[in-house]
Amino acid sequence: DTGVSQDPRHKITKRGQNVTFRCDPISEHNRLYWYRQTLGQGPEFLTYFQNEAQLEKSRLLSDRFSAERPKGSFSTLEIQRTEQGDSAMYLCASSSRPFSTDTQYFGPGTRLTVL
Amino acid sequence: GNSVTQMEGPVTLSEEAFLTINCTYTATGYPSLFWYVQYPGEGLQLLLKATKADDKGSNKGFEATYRKETTSFHLEKGSVQVSDSAVYFCALTLFSGGYNKLIFGAGTRLAVHP
Repeated sequence: DTGVSQDPRHKITKRGQNVTFRCDPISEHNRLYWYRQTLGQGPEFLTYFQNEAQLEKSRLLSDRFSAERPKGSFSTLEIQRTEQGDSAMYLCASSSRPFSTDTQYFGPGTRLTVL
Repeated sequence: GNSVTQMEGPVTLSEEAFLTINCTYTATGYPSLFWYVQYPGEGLQLLLKATKADDKGSNKGFEATYRKETTSFHLEKGSVQVSDSAVYFCALTLFSGGYNKLIFGAGTRLAVHP
Protein backbone atom coordinates (compact mmCIF):
# COMPACT_ATOMS: atom_id res chain seq x y z
CA ASP A 1 0.00 0.00 0.00
CA THR A 2 1.50 3.28 -1.06
CA GLY A 3 0.74 6.55 0.62
CA VAL A 4 0.06 9.93 -0.92
CA SER A 5 2.73 10.94 -3.39
CA GLN A 6 3.56 14.36 -4.80
CA ASP A 7 5.71 15.44 -7.68
CA PRO A 8 8.02 17.26 -7.90
CA ARG A 9 9.39 17.47 -4.38
CA HIS A 10 11.12 20.74 -5.09
CA LYS A 11 10.54 23.39 -7.74
CA ILE A 12 12.53 26.56 -8.30
CA THR A 13 11.11 29.00 -10.78
CA LYS A 14 11.43 32.60 -11.82
CA ARG A 15 8.75 35.14 -11.12
CA GLY A 16 6.14 35.18 -13.85
CA GLN A 17 6.56 31.56 -14.88
CA ASN A 18 3.81 28.95 -14.64
CA VAL A 19 4.25 25.83 -12.51
CA THR A 20 2.21 22.66 -12.11
CA PHE A 21 2.28 20.18 -9.25
CA ARG A 22 0.85 16.68 -9.15
CA CYS A 23 -0.68 14.70 -6.31
CA ASP A 24 -1.52 11.00 -6.34
CA PRO A 25 -3.80 10.11 -3.42
CA ILE A 26 -4.13 6.76 -1.72
CA SER A 27 -5.89 4.64 -4.32
CA GLU A 28 -9.21 4.02 -2.55
CA HIS A 29 -9.56 7.59 -1.27
CA ASN A 30 -12.12 9.68 -3.11
CA ARG A 31 -11.54 12.87 -1.14
CA LEU A 32 -8.53 15.05 -1.87
CA TYR A 33 -7.34 18.27 -0.25
CA TRP A 34 -4.67 20.85 -1.06
CA TYR A 35 -3.02 22.93 1.64
CA ARG A 36 -0.29 25.57 1.62
CA GLN A 37 2.32 25.91 4.35
CA THR A 38 4.53 28.96 4.61
CA LEU A 39 7.67 29.06 6.72
CA GLY A 40 6.95 28.90 10.43
CA GLN A 41 3.20 28.46 9.98
CA GLY A 42 0.75 25.62 9.99
CA PRO A 43 -0.81 24.44 6.75
CA GLU A 44 -3.77 26.41 5.42
CA PHE A 45 -6.61 24.91 3.41
CA LEU A 46 -6.71 25.74 -0.29
CA THR A 47 -9.24 23.47 -1.98
CA TYR A 48 -11.17 20.20 -1.77
CA PHE A 49 -12.24 17.55 -4.27
CA GLN A 50 -14.80 14.81 -3.90
CA ASN A 51 -14.05 12.47 -6.76
CA GLU A 52 -13.60 14.80 -9.77
CA ALA A 53 -15.73 17.63 -8.40
CA GLN A 54 -14.03 20.64 -6.84
CA LEU A 55 -16.44 21.50 -4.03
CA GLU A 56 -14.66 24.20 -2.08
CA LYS A 57 -12.02 26.84 -2.72
CA SER A 58 -10.40 29.03 -0.12
CA ARG A 59 -10.06 32.77 -0.55
CA LEU A 60 -6.33 32.05 -0.55
CA LEU A 61 -6.77 30.51 -4.00
CA SER A 62 -6.53 33.54 -6.26
CA ASP A 63 -7.48 33.44 -9.94
CA ARG A 64 -3.85 32.59 -10.77
CA PHE A 65 -4.37 29.21 -9.11
CA SER A 66 -6.29 26.37 -10.69
CA ALA A 67 -6.73 22.80 -9.53
CA GLU A 68 -8.14 19.80 -11.32
CA ARG A 69 -8.82 16.18 -10.60
CA PRO A 70 -9.73 14.48 -13.85
CA LYS A 71 -11.48 11.14 -13.47
CA GLY A 72 -11.28 11.46 -9.73
CA SER A 73 -7.79 10.04 -9.48
CA PHE A 74 -4.67 12.24 -9.39
CA SER A 75 -4.90 15.99 -8.99
CA THR A 76 -2.90 18.89 -10.36
CA LEU A 77 -2.41 22.35 -8.95
CA GLU A 78 -1.26 25.02 -11.39
CA ILE A 79 -0.01 28.47 -10.51
CA GLN A 80 0.16 30.96 -13.34
CA ARG A 81 2.39 34.03 -13.37
CA THR A 82 4.10 33.05 -10.14
CA GLU A 83 4.95 35.70 -7.56
CA GLN A 84 7.51 35.61 -4.77
CA GLY A 85 4.66 35.40 -2.28
CA ASP A 86 3.73 32.02 -3.75
CA SER A 87 6.90 30.50 -2.28
CA ALA A 88 5.68 27.84 0.13
CA MET A 89 5.25 24.13 0.68
CA TYR A 90 2.18 22.79 -1.14
CA LEU A 91 0.69 19.78 0.60
CA CYS A 92 -1.82 17.27 -0.67
CA ALA A 93 -3.91 15.04 1.55
CA SER A 94 -6.53 12.39 0.95
CA SER A 95 -9.20 10.65 2.95
CA SER A 96 -11.86 8.05 2.36
CA ARG A 97 -14.76 9.62 4.23
CA PRO A 98 -16.00 13.13 4.86
CA PHE A 99 -16.65 12.85 8.56
CA SER A 100 -14.74 15.03 10.97
CA THR A 101 -13.54 11.89 12.73
CA ASP A 102 -11.76 10.68 9.63
CA THR A 103 -8.02 11.02 9.14
CA GLN A 104 -6.43 12.91 6.30
CA TYR A 105 -3.17 11.40 5.07
CA PHE A 106 -0.57 13.80 3.77
CA GLY A 107 1.99 13.57 1.03
CA PRO A 108 5.57 14.80 1.42
CA GLY A 109 4.76 18.14 -0.19
CA THR A 110 6.17 20.18 -3.04
CA ARG A 111 8.42 23.03 -1.97
CA LEU A 112 8.10 25.96 -4.36
CA THR A 113 10.71 28.72 -4.47
CA VAL A 114 9.97 31.71 -6.66
CA LEU A 115 13.02 33.83 -7.43
CA GLY B 1 -14.40 31.64 13.78
CA ASN B 2 -12.63 28.33 14.20
CA SER B 3 -8.99 28.45 15.23
CA VAL B 4 -6.19 26.65 17.05
CA THR B 5 -3.59 28.23 19.28
CA GLN B 6 -0.53 26.36 20.42
CA MET B 7 2.46 27.33 22.49
CA GLU B 8 5.31 28.97 20.68
CA GLY B 9 8.56 27.17 20.29
CA PRO B 10 11.16 26.16 20.14
CA VAL B 11 10.91 23.84 23.08
CA THR B 12 14.31 22.50 24.03
CA LEU B 13 14.56 19.51 26.34
CA SER B 14 17.10 17.00 27.50
CA GLU B 15 16.54 13.35 26.70
CA GLU B 16 14.14 11.63 29.13
CA ALA B 17 12.55 14.93 30.18
CA PHE B 18 8.77 15.37 30.43
CA LEU B 19 7.10 17.12 27.53
CA THR B 20 3.98 19.25 27.43
CA ILE B 21 2.90 21.24 24.39
CA ASN B 22 -0.19 23.31 25.03
CA CYS B 23 -3.01 23.55 22.52
CA THR B 24 -6.32 25.36 22.84
CA TYR B 25 -9.04 25.74 20.28
CA THR B 26 -12.07 27.81 19.35
CA ALA B 27 -14.78 26.07 17.38
CA THR B 28 -18.46 26.28 16.57
CA GLY B 29 -19.91 22.85 17.01
CA TYR B 30 -18.09 19.71 18.07
CA PRO B 31 -14.69 19.34 16.47
CA SER B 32 -12.41 16.36 16.26
CA LEU B 33 -8.89 17.13 17.45
CA PHE B 34 -5.58 15.95 16.07
CA TRP B 35 -1.86 16.14 16.64
CA TYR B 36 0.29 15.85 13.54
CA VAL B 37 4.10 15.64 13.54
CA GLN B 38 6.51 16.78 10.86
CA TYR B 39 9.99 15.32 11.03
CA PRO B 40 12.80 17.14 9.20
CA GLY B 41 12.46 16.69 5.46
CA GLU B 42 9.25 14.68 5.73
CA GLY B 43 5.53 15.25 5.33
CA LEU B 44 2.91 15.55 8.05
CA GLN B 45 2.11 12.35 9.90
CA LEU B 46 -0.85 11.79 12.15
CA LEU B 47 0.37 11.28 15.70
CA LEU B 48 -2.93 10.88 17.54
CA LYS B 49 -6.52 12.02 17.53
CA ALA B 50 -9.60 12.31 19.71
CA THR B 51 -13.12 12.66 18.39
CA LYS B 52 -15.21 13.53 21.42
CA ALA B 53 -14.96 15.11 24.85
CA ASP B 54 -12.88 13.22 27.43
CA ASP B 55 -11.40 10.93 24.78
CA LYS B 56 -7.69 10.30 25.14
CA GLY B 57 -5.59 9.80 22.04
CA SER B 58 -2.28 8.01 22.41
CA ASN B 59 0.54 6.80 20.20
CA LYS B 60 4.30 6.19 20.57
CA GLY B 61 4.21 7.27 24.22
CA PHE B 62 2.44 10.56 23.42
CA GLU B 63 -0.96 11.32 24.91
CA ALA B 64 -3.56 14.08 24.65
CA THR B 65 -7.00 14.36 26.25
CA TYR B 66 -9.91 16.22 24.66
CA ARG B 67 -11.03 18.71 27.32
CA LYS B 68 -14.24 20.42 26.27
CA GLU B 69 -14.56 22.48 29.44
CA THR B 70 -11.18 24.13 28.87
CA THR B 71 -11.22 23.76 25.05
CA SER B 72 -7.78 22.20 25.20
CA PHE B 73 -5.88 19.25 23.76
CA HIS B 74 -2.43 19.39 25.32
CA LEU B 75 0.21 16.95 24.09
CA GLU B 76 2.30 15.11 26.69
CA LYS B 77 5.05 12.54 26.79
CA GLY B 78 6.68 11.21 29.90
CA SER B 79 10.20 10.72 28.56
CA VAL B 80 11.29 12.26 25.28
CA GLN B 81 13.99 10.90 23.00
CA VAL B 82 16.29 12.62 20.54
CA SER B 83 14.25 11.00 17.77
CA ASP B 84 11.18 13.00 18.91
CA SER B 85 12.78 16.19 17.61
CA ALA B 86 10.27 17.54 15.10
CA VAL B 87 7.56 20.16 14.61
CA TYR B 88 4.23 19.31 16.23
CA PHE B 89 0.94 20.69 14.91
CA CYS B 90 -2.36 20.74 16.74
CA ALA B 91 -5.40 20.75 14.46
CA LEU B 92 -9.17 20.46 14.42
CA THR B 93 -11.78 19.47 11.90
CA LEU B 94 -15.44 20.28 11.72
CA PHE B 95 -17.77 18.50 9.37
CA SER B 96 -19.34 21.26 7.36
CA GLY B 97 -20.82 21.39 3.89
CA GLY B 98 -20.06 17.75 3.22
CA TYR B 99 -16.35 17.78 3.97
CA ASN B 100 -13.93 18.36 6.80
CA LYS B 101 -10.98 20.69 6.30
CA LEU B 102 -8.22 20.73 8.85
CA ILE B 103 -7.47 23.94 10.73
CA PHE B 104 -3.94 23.96 12.09
CA GLY B 105 -2.07 25.81 14.76
CA ALA B 106 1.24 27.45 13.88
CA GLY B 107 3.28 24.49 15.08
CA THR B 108 5.73 23.98 17.93
CA ARG B 109 9.29 22.95 17.23
CA LEU B 110 10.72 20.45 19.71
CA ALA B 111 14.47 19.92 20.00
CA VAL B 112 15.68 17.11 22.24
CA HIS B 113 19.37 16.88 22.98
CA PRO B 114 21.30 13.98 24.55
